[in-house]
Amino acid sequence: AQKVTQAQTEISVVEKEDVTLDCVYETRDTTYYLFWYKQPPSGELVFLIRRNSFDEQNEISGRYSWNFQKSTSSFNFTITASQVVDSAVYFCALSEALGEGTGNQFYFGTGTSLTVIP
Amino acid sequence: DAGVIQSPRHEVTEMGQEVTLRCKPISGHDYLFWYRQTMMRGLELLIYFNNNVPIDDSGMPEDRFSAKMPNASFSTLKIQPSEPRDSAVYFCASSFGRGASPLHFGNGTRLTVT
Repeated sequence: AQKVTQAQTEISVVEKEDVTLDCVYETRDTTYYLFWYKQPPSGELVFLIRRNSFDEQNEISGRYSWNFQKSTSSFNFTITASQVVDSAVYFCALSEALGEGTGNQFYFGTGTSLTVIP
Repeated sequence: DAGVIQSPRHEVTEMGQEVTLRCKPISGHDYLFWYRQTMMRGLELLIYFNNNVPIDDSGMPEDRFSAKMPNASFSTLKIQPSEPRDSAVYFCASSFGRGASPLHFGNGTRLTVT
């Protein structure tokens, strides 16, 4: 079973529209961390944000906002007034706080390809 | 602050040749990860190290793949012999600590095996 599900494979929006990228995760841990990464056409993977499982406050950073809801195991990402530069593949990821030892496993979703049309 | 540095950026080789990918993690990071990205399989974790020791190599496809981390500032991923199905973008990433620390990725090495 997928630990992180990004059901939207591809999304196209017209510039200035708002768009929400969905992320649903699965974990039995009470302590875990969620991340979003951006992969623009140039190919690098850029870290955008991290949330821990104890902090359900929504976060806003400029045109970006994140909605973390433990009740639905979701960590959705909204881009307001989208721009062409937002065109990229966006990945959601989960990291579980493992017990003793050195394990450090990240689980990535399959990504959502966002195209913003000018 | 220098990020994760990978070399080469592009590698084109013929089937059967040995390929070595290199990675320099961010100074002070104690975890290093190797990922492979393809259209078909997305991002796949190959192996990760903690303090230069391999922790989980269950993602390494087969014996043709090997990875080493001789010191805290250098890691290699070797494919010998290479095959066309190894063509992919290989990413190295590093992090500090477990769980909470995000992965910081290098720019990747695009490998093409003809």
